[in-house]
Amino acid sequence: QSVLTQPPSASGTPGQRVTISCSGSSSNIGSNTVNWYQQLPGTAPKLLIYSNNQRPSGVPDRFSGSKSGTSASLAISGLQSEDEADYYCAAWDDSLYNYVFGTGTKVTVL
Amino acid sequence: QLQLQESGPGLVKPSETLSLTCTVSGASISGSSYYWGWIRQPPGKGLEWIGSIYSSGSMYYNPSLKSRVTISVDTPKNQFSLKLSSVTAADTAVYYCARQLAGRPLDAIDPWGQGTLVTVSS
Repeated sequence: QSVLTQPPSASGTPGQRVTISCSGSSSNIGSNTVNWYQQLPGTAPKLLIYSNNQRPSGVPDRFSGSKSGTSASLAISGLQSEDEADYYCAAWDDSLYNYVFGTGTKVTVL
Repeated sequence: QLQLQESGPGLVKPSETLSLTCTVSGASISGSSYYWGWIRQPPGKGLEWIGSIYSSGSMYYNPSLKSRVTISVDTPKNQFSLKLSSVTAADTAVYYCARQLAGRPLDAIDPWGQGTLVTVSS
């Protein structure tokens, strides 16, 4: 059981905006930075957002992250077919002394 | 360009020890602000962090796996390794090696190796 909860699925049509939530607690999101990973089908995860809202070089600015209190969100604006993937949030947990991943959200482009 | 590549047996018998090696190219394992770690993903399931090690030997392990896990680093070969003892079918997963940023105490994971499937079966 992950301590970071995400909705199992999200969907949208091309061009729409999709938002994925990540709910945690004071020992993880509440006190540490949140990272987001994208896992395209059959491939290894890739860092999408780090330090709550920073994009690594090469990540389109359609992807944005935010954090408030013990929750974080990933937004995909201008949804494209190549965005179909699983998305995971993650953070260090001070109580568990563990780097924890969210439950994962599958994004489908309709 | 930094690249990581996992290697090791794809099939391990129950109760035996799973052993994997990650070869790093394009950067040195020594120094800087990075840890080197392992993450796994059972088929069709989510990601689970296993643990990470610094070149000096400082390490962090997932508490749920700590009693069975050993991560070591071989700086001359620019490799690091994972050993997981007393494996069961529940340890069947794709195992990824990766670089992890140091920071309170661990932060973002980037990049990741391509992953290797390890099946535990007799």
